[in-house]
Amino acid sequence: GQQLNQSPQSMFIQEGEDVSMNCTSSSIFNTWLWYKQDPGEGPVLLIALYKAGELTSNGRLTAQFGITRKDSFLNISASIPSDVGIYFCAGRQGGSEKLVFGKGTKLTVNP
Amino acid sequence: NAGVTQTPKFQVLKTGQSMTLQCAQDMNHEYMSWYRQDPGMGLRLIHYSVGAGITDQGEVPNGYNVSRSTTEDFPLRLLSAAPSQTSVYFCASSPNLRVGNTEAFFGQGTRLTVV
Repeated sequence: GQQLNQSPQSMFIQEGEDVSMNCTSSSIFNTWLWYKQDPGEGPVLLIALYKAGELTSNGRLTAQFGITRKDSFLNISASIPSDVGIYFCAGRQGGSEKLVFGKGTKLTVNP
Repeated sequence: NAGVTQTPKFQVLKTGQSMTLQCAQDMNHEYMSWYRQDPGMGLRLIHYSVGAGITDQGEVPNGYNVSRSTTEDFPLRLLSAAPSQTSVYFCASSPNLRVGNTEAFFGQGTRLTVV
């Protein structure tokens, strides 16, 4: 089935640093979503993107819907210890209810 | 403000046993789905439903059954558990396409171990 290529697989950063991760596909998507999963919890929606080129922020998080509609990225500025977790991208193709997920980026923030 | 509720949170089964993972949502969402999460594999879609009485297979449906008799509930059944089904299972719900957005809301997961 359709897959999203998410990178990097993991990141180890110092508190205060900025973080960038991305998701790419060989197919066009109409919706891009970014989720965060804390240990032992379900994924929680961070940002939803619905238009090509759209740039949306949620506090220190910023995500963009790529102009080609085949990619998206998520930036986290001035990271803090509670940013630790796994970040997933997810996409939905036109006419489909189904969401396809990337394999996740595991973020570790050292105080 | 319950959202998506999954039960149980933890379960240990013996190979060959059957069980049902429960999922209920109180947001009147039409679309519900089940995912399994394995290390390094992300979230893989098992089955989904676009409304009461309608279900379809996802990416990894073998060994699992579902039904959708009401809008609120979407149980996942393992008829004969196998060690390969050891995983964390997530149920999710979302509004349908007619609403205009399809963000999925997840339950807290069921951690299943098959021995």
